[in-house]
Amino acid sequence: DAGVIQSPRHEVTEMGQEVTLRCKPISGHDYLFWYRQTMMRGLELLIYFNNNVPIDDSGMPEDRFSAKMPNASFSTLKIQPSEPRDSAVYFCASSFYAGPPGELFFGEGSRLTVL
Amino acid sequence: AQRVTQPEKLLSVFKGAPVELKCNYSYSGSPELFWYVQYSRQRLQLLLRHISRESIKGFTADLNKGETSFHLKKPFAQEEDSAMYYCAPHRSGSARQLTFGSGTQLTVLP
Repeated sequence: DAGVIQSPRHEVTEMGQEVTLRCKPISGHDYLFWYRQTMMRGLELLIYFNNNVPIDDSGMPEDRFSAKMPNASFSTLKIQPSEPRDSAVYFCASSFYAGPPGELFFGEGSRLTVL
Repeated sequence: AQRVTQPEKLLSVFKGAPVELKCNYSYSGSPELFWYVQYSRQRLQLLLRHISRESIKGFTADLNKGETSFHLKKPFAQEEDSAMYYCAPHRSGSARQLTFGSGTQLTVLP
């Protein structure tokens, strides 16, 4: 397995544009997490899904952020419209219910720069 | 409220010196605790979990319930230990998500 796959790896966009980040979890994993990493705040959990259903989106900063998981192998995080303060590295992670608790498998991240 | 604190954003030590990365938590009950590490240009990955009482790459972490701390220690730091380290408590029996501390960037100087 190639692990959690995220795309794009880097995205540079202008303020006001729509940004879509994509994630493919590890096959068989039933939990999917979206995290945001910044120097100031570290890793923040934005939202997570269990069996494709959003369970907790309390970390989503604003209505400009939305996430979907249409099937077990794909999820998107969308920012519309984007703002410079959204610049960060966005990580997707997945885990398996029957696996050891606390063990998350992370993607390589999508580095977003909003100008 | 549940909180995890890593008081040092940046930590530099010389090669061969002992290193301790601090983590304090405020969680109800008995959380399980984890350390994650992110080396340059690599994925964030699990380093160790307290329940295993393991030593990984020379690192150990002791859960001190009295002080509510879970500091990560290594007696002799190596240059390849330079990385970002995150402490992550997990409340037993809760859902699978992890709340991470703000992270400590460790630099081991030659």
